[in-house]
Amino acid sequence: GAGVSQSPRYKVTKRGQDVTLRCDPISSHATLYWYQQALGQGPEFLTYFNYEAQPDKSGLPSDRFSAERPEGSISTLTIQRTEQRDSAMYRCASSPGQGAGETQYFGPGTRLLVL
Amino acid sequence: GESVGLHLPTLSVQEGDNSIINCAYSNSASDYFIWYKQESGKGPQFIIDIRSNMDKRQGQRVTVLLNKTVKHLSLQIAATQPGDSAVYFCAEEAGGYNKLIFGAGTRLAVHP
Repeated sequence: GAGVSQSPRYKVTKRGQDVTLRCDPISSHATLYWYQQALGQGPEFLTYFNYEAQPDKSGLPSDRFSAERPEGSISTLTIQRTEQRDSAMYRCASSPGQGAGETQYFGPGTRLLVL
Repeated sequence: GESVGLHLPTLSVQEGDNSIINCAYSNSASDYFIWYKQESGKGPQFIIDIRSNMDKRQGQRVTVLLNKTVKHLSLQIAATQPGDSAVYFCAEEAGGYNKLIFGAGTRLAVHP
């Protein structure tokens, strides 16, 4: 596609519910990243994929957070048993190659609100 | 859309002036640096990047300067326009690590 897209753009859920966020990277981009962005701050790294491999998930806040990219293209980020502190903007980015030092292109984000 | 940078430092400039946004980065092992622009309701937008083997790189109306000695990065915007109003983030990447570490951000306000 022309750019990174994410869905839904807004998600309101009740504490304790599970949510799944979706990211469609730029077509043919090898690497996909998930970030969490709090109001007034820069994005914070959660995890990334090289195609379907997930080399680094060190930024995931807890084991309630998981991400998948089973076919090396679209990715989902799932948060189980959501808590109010999970409320944030979740951003996806993609880059063309697999190595470091590649420009990351960001999507519009999903705003998650946990009530 | 969401409001980005509610309590960020703000740089106010007059339209047509040059703007300089500064950033101190944290990791001396970082070897790739990017400036992003984020407008309200949108994701970070790539502006310009620089690698650690350079100390200056120019784009269209923008220049990035890198001082590795003091771990300082700056973004210069020439002839600032109202459309440049946004929050600007610097980001660093340590060699071999596929993750960006973002700075705190600076709000640029351009007044006509």
